[in-house]
Amino acid sequence: EPEVTQTPSHQVTQMGQEVILRCVPISNHLYFYWYRQILGQKVEFLVSFYNNEISEKSEIFDDQFSVERPDGSNFTLKIRSTKLEDSAMYFCASREYQGNTIYFGEGSWLTVV
Amino acid sequence: GENVEQHPSTLSVQEGDSAVIKCTYSDSASNYFPWYKQELGKRPQLIIDIRSNVGEKKDQRIAVTLNKTAKHFSLHITETQPEDSAVYFCAPSSSASKIIFGSGTRLSIRP
Repeated sequence: EPEVTQTPSHQVTQMGQEVILRCVPISNHLYFYWYRQILGQKVEFLVSFYNNEISEKSEIFDDQFSVERPDGSNFTLKIRSTKLEDSAMYFCASREYQGNTIYFGEGSWLTVV
Repeated sequence: GENVEQHPSTLSVQEGDSAVIKCTYSDSASNYFPWYKQELGKRPQLIIDIRSNVGEKKDQRIAVTLNKTAKHFSLHITETQPEDSAVYFCAPSSSASKIIFGSGTRLSIRP
């Protein structure tokens, strides 16, 4: 069964450093998402992406965040200058154009020290 | 979507008993109503969903009921088992662009 894959599974970074989290959505999916989950808390919407542009973004997704689809398969989330409070699990997700179900990757656990 | 609330935030039931979790939403345009299960350290995974033209859907021990007039839908788990212990999230939506999750319900099954 096709899956959303994410790399790295875990990254530790110094405060102020740039981080890029990578995702390969399911191949025939057209909507892509990034969500964040701070330990023990809810799954928070960050951004959605369709047709090579951002569709929606939340208040969390400020100027230090950006997303890109650099080629036909990857979908990346960049955090320009990490802060301690960016420590969280970041989930990538995708869905078909006609479907409703979103499929999550296994997540990238980011620790900012 | 938009404003999404779940109740209760935590729920403990005896193994074999039923559990009910309710999700209330504010966006009257919502037309898709899924429930996700997240086990400890894992990703959220869809367990059941319902669309706005249906009032109830059942899949073995789990069911979802929808009340569009009152803008809420509920997850029902019968004959609970230890493996049902997890956090459950609702995520009602009206568009593909913005899918907001509820705050989650931590379900514990007591042996």
